[in-house]
Amino acid sequence: NAGVTQTPKFRILKIGQSMTLQCTQDMNHNYMYWYRQDPGMGLKLIYYSVGAGITDKGEVPNGYNVSRSTTEDFPLRLELAAPSQTSVYFCASKTHDGTTNEQFFGPGTRLTVL
Amino acid sequence: LAKTTQPISMDSYEGQEVNITCSHNNIATNDYITWYQQFPSQGPRFIIQGYKTKVTNEVASLFIPADRKSSTLSLPRVSLSDTAVYYCLVGAEAAGNKLTFGGGTRVLVKP
Repeated sequence: NAGVTQTPKFRILKIGQSMTLQCTQDMNHNYMYWYRQDPGMGLKLIYYSVGAGITDKGEVPNGYNVSRSTTEDFPLRLELAAPSQTSVYFCASKTHDGTTNEQFFGPGTRLTVL
Repeated sequence: LAKTTQPISMDSYEGQEVNITCSHNNIATNDYITWYQQFPSQGPRFIIQGYKTKVTNEVASLFIPADRKSSTLSLPRVSLSDTAVYYCLVGAEAAGNKLTFGGGTRVLVKP
């Protein structure tokens, strides 16, 4: 299994540009998450999904959109990039078994908005 | 979601045991306590999870007192490669498993 994969690894955007961060998992996990991590800080939840067709906001959803059309994919969309969105973005997934809090994280996408 | 408090940083030396205590006074009945490790430029990695008493795996031990208002992650005989940020999280598996990552504890292992 490849686990959780994210593309691209790095990206530089100009203010006002749009982009989609891709996330795919091959573990058939129900739950998927998008986090952002600013330098020296902890992770903040942007959006999450408990299954295909179901998404919900996390702690910092403004400026982002998500969709979950399949179990495997959970893309994150930035519509109008702003410097405040410069961060490292992590996607994660988790199985739904009633007990475990083990999330599997991807390698991250480092985004810079200039 | 239960709020957690843990030290900002800790220094240790190779071969020593490192203990990181996390406070979570408003933990709920259904909440589990979970610890993650994060190396620079990588995503967090699950270390251990527990509900009460003691849990041990090949990497660490987790001690949880009866009142569950705190927990202690114990890393035995650390090496330089254990230098990382360690996060304590509290939450239930239900409700989409929204976990809150605080600032974590930066552990520096010196030679």
